[in-house]
Amino acid sequence: AQSVTQLDSQVPVFEEAPVELRCNYSSSVSVYLFWYVQYPNQGLQLLLKYLSGSTLVKGINGFEAEFNKSQTSFHLRKPSVHISDTAEYFCAVSSQPDRGSTLGRLYFGRGTQLTVWP
Amino acid sequence: KAGVTQTPRYLIKTRGQQVTLSCSPISGHRSVSWYQQTPGQGLQFLFEYFSETQRNKGNFPGRFSGRQFSNSRSEMNVSTLELGDSALYLCASSLGQPSMNTEAFFGQGTRLTVV
Repeated sequence: AQSVTQLDSQVPVFEEAPVELRCNYSSSVSVYLFWYVQYPNQGLQLLLKYLSGSTLVKGINGFEAEFNKSQTSFHLRKPSVHISDTAEYFCAVSSQPDRGSTLGRLYFGRGTQLTVWP
Repeated sequence: KAGVTQTPRYLIKTRGQQVTLSCSPISGHRSVSWYQQTPGQGLQFLFEYFSETQRNKGNFPGRFSGRQFSNSRSEMNVSTLELGDSALYLCASSLGQPSMNTEAFFGQGTRLTVV
């Protein structure tokens, strides 16, 4: 079984400050890791993903995340946030699919509400 | 390239009724998954369809069902609606092909309110 823990339910920051949203996962198999963003009354938009290779992953809107296998973490960072980054952020994990199988289900964390103040 | 389209966007139903939600995946995508999002339970997986076959199923009662058509469009049905079924229902599509299936694209969701 897999699970995802987002350690902070709410993160308030001031504009242009750096931010880190924390995510830890548990899994007994190799995984794919994702960060999604959700704006009010919208679906989920993929920010970035880790599949394999370099542990530092760069995504859209200036976000990046680092995969740390020993700590089973996949924290999301941005060096300078903007008011438009205010949204809810979800960390998700899926098992690496076997050959011939589909992506399967995503396991989501409970989300972190990022609020950027002017 | 059109994204994932979910219809309707908003729906109000009465307890005991049934409802059908529709999802059109991105062209060429063969896998469709459904998720329920509520403030209390967060995002929970309902089921996944690939080539008209259910491949995965979450822990929901039998009132929740789905199907996929030959054009990959999918519908989910909830019968005998309960107040607790009020939620945002999200559909996600992915390629569904081995070694290429690495990302799920989400629609904007259908907001279901049961009164």
